Order: sequence, then C-alpha cells, then structure tokens
Amino acid sequence: AQSVTQLGSHVSVSEGALVLLRCNYSSSVPPYLFWYVQYPNQGLQLLLKYTTGATLVKGINGFEAEFKKSETSFHLTKPSAHMSDAAEYFCAVSTAGNKLTFGGGTRVLVKP
Amino acid sequence: DAGVIQSPRHEVTEMGQEVTLRCKPISGHNSLFWYRQTMMRGLELLIYFNNNVPIDDSGMPEDRFSAKMPNASFSTLKIQPSEPRDSAVYFCASRLGSSDEQYFGPGTRLTVT
Repeated sequence: AQSVTQLGSHVSVSEGALVLLRCNYSSSVPPYLFWYVQYPNQGLQLLLKYTTGATLVKGINGFEAEFKKSETSFHLTKPSAHMSDAAEYFCAVSTAGNKLTFGGGTRVLVKP
Repeated sequence: DAGVIQSPRHEVTEMGQEVTLRCKPISGHNSLFWYRQTMMRGLELLIYFNNNVPIDDSGMPEDRFSAKMPNASFSTLKIQPSEPRDSAVYFCASRLGSSDEQYFGPGTRLTVT
C-alpha cells in the first residue's frame, strides 16, 4: 500500500519569496514520485517526476524537488514565487505498473 | 499532439438520468485512468485500464457507475441513474509506460440537479 501526505492545505507566499510545499509518502517498494499543478478549471499538469537516478529533480516553471529516502519526503521548492504560480499542487506516488496515489493538494496564494 | 480529449466539458442533468462521459487517450498510450474530483474527497481514482482491460475498479462508488474501453482510442464512464452526490469534475488520464507520468484531460464538470 502507498500513501501521500501534504502538509498544509493552503500556503500563502509573497511574490519573490521562496515557495516550499511539503510532501511525505509511504511505500513498501521504491517509489516513483510526481508533482502536478492544477490551474483553475483545468486538468492536472506534470511539474516534475522522480523515478530513478539523481535525487534532485528539476521541473518546469523553475520548480524543483528532492527525493530524500531517509525522510520519505519529496518537497517541492521554487526560489522566487511569481503571481502565475497561484494554483493547486498535488504530490503523488506510484510503484512500477501501479496506479497513482495523490495527496490532498496544497493551494498556493501569491501576494503582490 | 492533441492531448487527452474529454467530452462533454460540462454536463447538467436531472437526478435519475443516465450520463455518459467520454475520453480519447493520447495515441499510443496503453493505460487509461478515470478520476473524480470533489471539494470534500479530493482526487479519487475510480478505475483504470491497461491495454483496454480493467485492472482495478475498486474506486468505483457503486453499481450505478460503469466504465468501458472497447478499443485503445476510446473509453466511456457511465452513471445510471445519476444522483446529486455524483456532481463533480471527472478527469480522464492516459499513460504510456509503467514509470511514466499520466497526462490529464481537461475534465468534465458534471452537475446533477
């Protein structure tokens, strides 16, 4: 069985400030990890993914995430928030050939 | 690439009516997923297919829900009869390989009155 916990259903950041979204997972086998973003009235779009190899993963729009096995974490960061980053972000975990399990989502508000 | 295509984008129906949602996955993708998103329950997997075969339907709420994938380029999710609590956004997603990401469609917003 696998599960995902996202700490904080809402995060508010100032434009230009660091964005940090926390994600912890549980999985009995090596996981594949994903971050998706959902803009209002749209489907989910992949930001980045970790499958194997380098644990620091860079994605689109300046986001990156680091897989830390010892902490079972996959936190998402962006050094400087932009107004266009306002959206809902979902962390997800899967194992080979299996379905994705999503976290509850974190809604990001960017203040000017 | 056209991406995952879903129709209709919006559906308003009365309680008791049959509703059919449609999905065309990305060409060449061999897995297809149906999700439901609500404020209360978040994003839930309803069912997924691999090579047109249903693999896991444990998320289907009840017998009123059924899904089919008659071929690699088309899937339907049917609700009969519909109830107000079925109101949600229904997403279809497709995937190429087991380690690859899922590509989501724009969703169908269903309102049952």
